[in-house]
Amino acid sequence: DAKTTQPPSMDCAEGRAANLPCNHSTISGNEYVYWYRQIHSQGPQYIIHGLKNNETNEMASLIITEDRKSSTLILPHATLRDTAVYYCIVRPPPLMDSNYQLIWGAGTKLIIKP
Amino acid sequence: AAGVIQSPRHLIKEKRETATLKCYPIPRHDTVYWYQQGPGQDPQFLISFYEKMQSDKGSIPDRFSAQQFSDYHSELNMSSLELGDSALYFCASSQMRGTGREAFFGQGTRLTVV
Repeated sequence: DAKTTQPPSMDCAEGRAANLPCNHSTISGNEYVYWYRQIHSQGPQYIIHGLKNNETNEMASLIITEDRKSSTLILPHATLRDTAVYYCIVRPPPLMDSNYQLIWGAGTKLIIKP
Repeated sequence: AAGVIQSPRHLIKEKRETATLKCYPIPRHDTVYWYQQGPGQDPQFLISFYEKMQSDKGSIPDRFSAQQFSDYHSELNMSSLELGDSALYFCASSQMRGTGREAFFGQGTRLTVV
């Protein structure tokens, strides 16, 4: 079962920041938070991941609360091409587990409106 | 940059036929994952391989088998196809020794069983 909960859908105006929340209240101390997105019928695309510090890359920023029970993915200037289903996934760290799979929840369908 | 290559992109088969899907991971990636995504559903993990050995097994039917070859490419073999096998099949690869171990997905093979 997925270890995360996300709102089923969100709207955001083009050019504004899109903030996608994720709850992972049962996260273990050594588990990472990953974000992927899937544009309609395309392969899922890796966005960003983090453990406890906030992370930023060319696509997005990831804000993880101090207690690590929730996080927020931020797309700073959303474009129409950011319309997709966004998945928040919790998984064990590398080299310490035998479970390599990603367990996908329902994700958030983000619609960017002009 | 090189991405995960899947072939074929589209495949139409009749019930009870067999199908073989191929996946070519990103160079130097040592882990391959297979996922199945039915219409309107989230990706479901099937199986993964690390260094040519099966590393994890998900909801893969007994009619399906997979392997990873010496050049790290992987094949998913599907026999006695059923209408319910119609889905998008994604392959992903990652580098297990990386700090993030993020998985990169191919564009998928759309299998239609008629």
